[in-house]
Amino acid sequence: EAGVAQSPRYKIIEKRQSVAFWCNPISGHATLYWYQQILGQGPKLLIQFQNNGVVDDSQLPKDRFSAERLKGVDSTLKIQPAKLEDSAVYLCASSLIGTRGSRNVEQFFGPGTRLTVL
Amino acid sequence: SQQGEEDPQALSIQEGENATMNCSYKTSINNLQWYRQNSGRGLVHLILIRSNEREKHSGRLRVTLDTSKKSSSLLITASRAADTASYFCATLRGGGTSYGKLTFGQGTILTVHP
Repeated sequence: EAGVAQSPRYKIIEKRQSVAFWCNPISGHATLYWYQQILGQGPKLLIQFQNNGVVDDSQLPKDRFSAERLKGVDSTLKIQPAKLEDSAVYLCASSLIGTRGSRNVEQFFGPGTRLTVL
Repeated sequence: SQQGEEDPQALSIQEGENATMNCSYKTSINNLQWYRQNSGRGLVHLILIRSNEREKHSGRLRVTLDTSKKSSSLLITASRAADTASYFCATLRGGGTSYGKLTFGQGTILTVHP
């Protein structure tokens, strides 16, 4: 079974530039997550999709971050404009389902994109 | 905000020894999960324990959960050099609207020396 795919693996940009990350979840997984992991910390959820609808984006800095999941499969996360504090690893994860009735599910993570903002 | 706090922050042991990591959390939970992260394989799910369970085993892993103390422990027995990684606990909150949202702790860095 193919895992969660992410690209690019590494990205270096200057502050105020824009950047986009792409994620392809495991086939059949309805729920997709984007996490931000700053060095030395655990992952922090940015946004969660159920199919192509947003379930939770309470921790997404909406003035600069945006995400979409067209057709309920692939997803892109964009930062515009980037700040120094956005330097982190951006992880995409997927799970079969994460609704109220069946929350005992594991999440499968991609390799992440390491973003460095100079 | 980080829900879970792992203890210790770093742990260094010899191959063959047991490693114990602890996690404390603040709110009621639906379940608690442990993940491992290393440079080679990224973040990988290890084990999930539901709020109505007290202990769970998977291979060399043993997880306990004490909801009255809001704490969990992960025991790795007979450790191997390949167990060297960061270990995170993640909680899924109880109640109505949390869906599948996990809140991760800061992690414990485990180093197993050959």
